[in-house]
Amino acid sequence: ILNVEQSPQSLHVQEGDSTNFTCSFPSSNFYALHWYRWETAKSPEALFVMTLNGDEKKKGRISATLNTKEGYSYLYIKGSQPEDSATYLCAFDTWGNNRLAFGKGNQVVVIP
Amino acid sequence: DVKVTQSSRYLVKRTGEKVFLECVQDMDHENMFWYRQDPGLGLRLIYFSYDVKMKEKGDIPEGYSVSREKKERFSLILESASTNQTSMYLCASQSRGIEQPQHFGDGTRLSIL
Repeated sequence: ILNVEQSPQSLHVQEGDSTNFTCSFPSSNFYALHWYRWETAKSPEALFVMTLNGDEKKKGRISATLNTKEGYSYLYIKGSQPEDSATYLCAFDTWGNNRLAFGKGNQVVVIP
Repeated sequence: DVKVTQSSRYLVKRTGEKVFLECVQDMDHENMFWYRQDPGLGLRLIYFSYDVKMKEKGDIPEGYSVSREKKERFSLILESASTNQTSMYLCASQSRGIEQPQHFGDGTRLSIL
């Protein structure tokens, strides 16, 4: 079982502040890195699928970067809003067959 | 929008019962997955399927089986439910291809008494 680490495990952010967190994964045999947002009582929702070293993707106030050589991805939230409160899941595809290994998630609480 | 529907949001069963969790997707996706989510752990893959009648074991297949008789439906079966199978179960579907995201259902919270 692959080790995908997410840090910090949880964080509280003041509304309006920006924040970021990290996903670390094995740097060998890389195919894809996924980010999902999971709000309470809802289903996980795909944010990004990243495949190229140096990739940067953006969706509204949320963006992500990818470094496949050193095995990490950063997720950034700019100007956090209460609706950003969720668990952000990172998942790694090392076999190229869409079989994902998930991290434990970054739980974000935005304080109004 | 892709719709992944799980048959129940909440389910309570007894130890030893045979339990069926159903998942249906409406986007003709080839790949389907079953995960469980437990506190303090990431999503763990139980079984997955790349096509009709195909199945592959995930990381924690013990005590489970699956069925994929039609492309849109992927069933998870607990042959003889045990209390350690109390968990949140999530189904996902995905179109084939490395850059395709997985689309998740709302989850079934299963309690085994």
